[in-house]
Amino acid sequence: GENVEQHPSTLSVQEGDSAVIKCTYSDSASNYFPWYKQELGKRPQLIIDIRSNVGEKKDQRIAVTLNKTAKHFSLHITETQPEDSAVYFCAASQAGTSYGKLTFGQGTILTVHP
Amino acid sequence: EAGVAQSPRYKIIEKRQSVAFWCNPISGHATLYWYQQILGQGPKLLIQFQNNGVVDDSQLPKDRFSAERLKGVDSTLKIQPAKLEDSAVYLCASSLDNGGKQYFGPGTRLTVT
Repeated sequence: GENVEQHPSTLSVQEGDSAVIKCTYSDSASNYFPWYKQELGKRPQLIIDIRSNVGEKKDQRIAVTLNKTAKHFSLHITETQPEDSAVYFCAASQAGTSYGKLTFGQGTILTVHP
Repeated sequence: EAGVAQSPRYKIIEKRQSVAFWCNPISGHATLYWYQQILGQGPKLLIQFQNNGVVDDSQLPKDRFSAERLKGVDSTLKIQPAKLEDSAVYLCASSLDNGGKQYFGPGTRLTVT
């Protein structure tokens, strides 16, 4: 089955700096890669996703890049703000197939210091 | 648009007792997922339904866990008997179709003592 590794496990930045979180996946058949943000005691919220036919996607201060050859994808947050502090999870799946379940990474605790 | 609803939000039980969780997905979403999230870890899929049929239950501990989705809408997840290691947050999610964007409910925090 799919295995997703996420790094780093914790990340501390100053407000205004950029933050990058990286994930690798094992199954070359995976074609859908979402990122979720989870604040303490809250539900995971989808913040951005990318499909395997696209190399990069951007939404305001967040962007995701995908390298299918190397089987890794990354989340980039620019101009970080204290409200970006949360746990971020990457995930991978074979969307549209009977293997459409999401396999999640272990999570990254992001702390943005004012 | 109303989100995914779950109840109860919190539950404390003793080991060997039974417990049930309820989920109401976003209207029109055919696919429903139950995840287990242990503290400090990412969610792990327990079972996935497409309408009222099971698509994937490979990681469901079937000796104690069961789930159903009658009529292809609401779903219940049951644990009987509970063990200490079942303490976790149980998240329900739904998507329009298999593998589409998944939206999560608020979860049920289960504590087994």
